[in-house]
Amino acid sequence: DTEVTQTPKHLVMGMTNKKSLKCEQHMGHRAMYWYKQKAKKPPELMFVYSYEKLSINESVPSRFSPECPNSSLLNLHLHALQPEDSALYLCASSQLPGLAGNNEQFFGPGTRLTVL
Amino acid sequence: GQNIDQPTEMTATEGAIVQINCTYQTSGFNGLFWYQQHAGEAPTFLSYNVLDGLEEKGRFSSFLSRSKGYSYLLLKELQMKDSASYLCAVANTDKLIFGTGTRLQVFP
Repeated sequence: DTEVTQTPKHLVMGMTNKKSLKCEQHMGHRAMYWYKQKAKKPPELMFVYSYEKLSINESVPSRFSPECPNSSLLNLHLHALQPEDSALYLCASSQLPGLAGNNEQFFGPGTRLTVL
Repeated sequence: GQNIDQPTEMTATEGAIVQINCTYQTSGFNGLFWYQQHAGEAPTFLSYNVLDGLEEKGRFSSFLSRSKGYSYLLLKELQMKDSASYLCAVANTDKLIFGTGTRLQVFP
């Protein structure tokens, strides 16, 4: 199994809703990432988990709350989002934390989020 | 600061060769990745360079000059399916910093 899966594929939510995005990999990777990508822009890093611990938070607003229940799963909990948070949310994983030595990231297909 | 620049858009003809340039100025450097991203899909890994020189992988090659802060991706024998965005990304410790991306359109 060499893929990263994400659910749901699409999500529409109101500004008062609470929802979660899920990401899963079974490659034994010990680093997992959340990115946000707006249309026609490159992915922007949000969070990095290394060995199930949060290692990087790129000053993301608290209405986004990541969680790593185990080495295969990564969640992103959403609450009180704004319309400008509408974007493609990508999850990625890599074998080890750190990006030296061709430690490439494998990306999931993303969740397209629309906030009304 | 971190600055990674690529041309916004390029066009080319099927069967041709195209070179996509990337210049970078970053506070750290652990290598440079190229990713391909089709519209609405996830980025997929193409190549990685950490030492100066050319890395060849089938129809795709990538070049790096660390002293110049410069890389390029060379695509040969272009096919229609190569129409996509190409993202240059610099590895900086635990982070991957993406460039602005180049949207390539291949015409018959």
